[in-house]
Amino acid sequence: DAEITQSPRHKITETGRQVTLACHQTWNHNNMFWYRQDLGHGLRLIHYSYGVQDTNKGEVSDGYSVSRSNTEDLPLTLESAASSQTSVYFCASSEAGMNTEAFFGQGTRLTVV
Amino acid sequence: EDQVTQSPEALRLQEGESSSLNCSYTVSGLRGLFWYRQDPGKGPEFLFTLYSAGEEKEKERLKATLTKKESFLHITAPKPEDSATYLCAVYVDGTSYGKLTFGQGTILTVHP
Repeated sequence: DAEITQSPRHKITETGRQVTLACHQTWNHNNMFWYRQDLGHGLRLIHYSYGVQDTNKGEVSDGYSVSRSNTEDLPLTLESAASSQTSVYFCASSEAGMNTEAFFGQGTRLTVV
Repeated sequence: EDQVTQSPEALRLQEGESSSLNCSYTVSGLRGLFWYRQDPGKGPEFLFTLYSAGEEKEKERLKATLTKKESFLHITAPKPEDSATYLCAVYVDGTSYGKLTFGQGTILTVHP
């Protein structure tokens, strides 16, 4: 069965360190997204990609970057981790097109100390 | 600015006690409204997409409806396994494909 997997599921890192969260999907979807979920804010879009070599900023992109070198993977990098980036991160993918539903990964809980 | 507001924030029901969750939206032009279910420690799971006012969709004990200003998720005779956080999200005119704006969710607890 096709799926979308995130790794690691949990991570603790120190302020100032660079951290990369992995996202891998086997749906062969063109669209991939990274969200963060925080109490009181719901899910907020960080970055998204519509295909290989395409990346776009979402509403909370400061301090984050992504790259898309193949269809399956969209790693999220925190360039210099800050305590404000402690959150649960979700990757999602969807087919190309307007109203296609997104499939989400299980999430990565990141704690920055 | 596009806004999605869900109410109530939390809802406790007895098994078999039917109720509704609300998702109201203020957007420039609605292209689609999505309902997701999220269990603790997991990612959201897709339930429904609604496209136009008057549309209804059903799945087991859940029925989603849409008006020009809000959507309802009706839960009929809920069971404890329906306990979860229910999220709604909108896709609006002028945004790129697949970009969703989410509400903050309703935490539903169904007691046996």
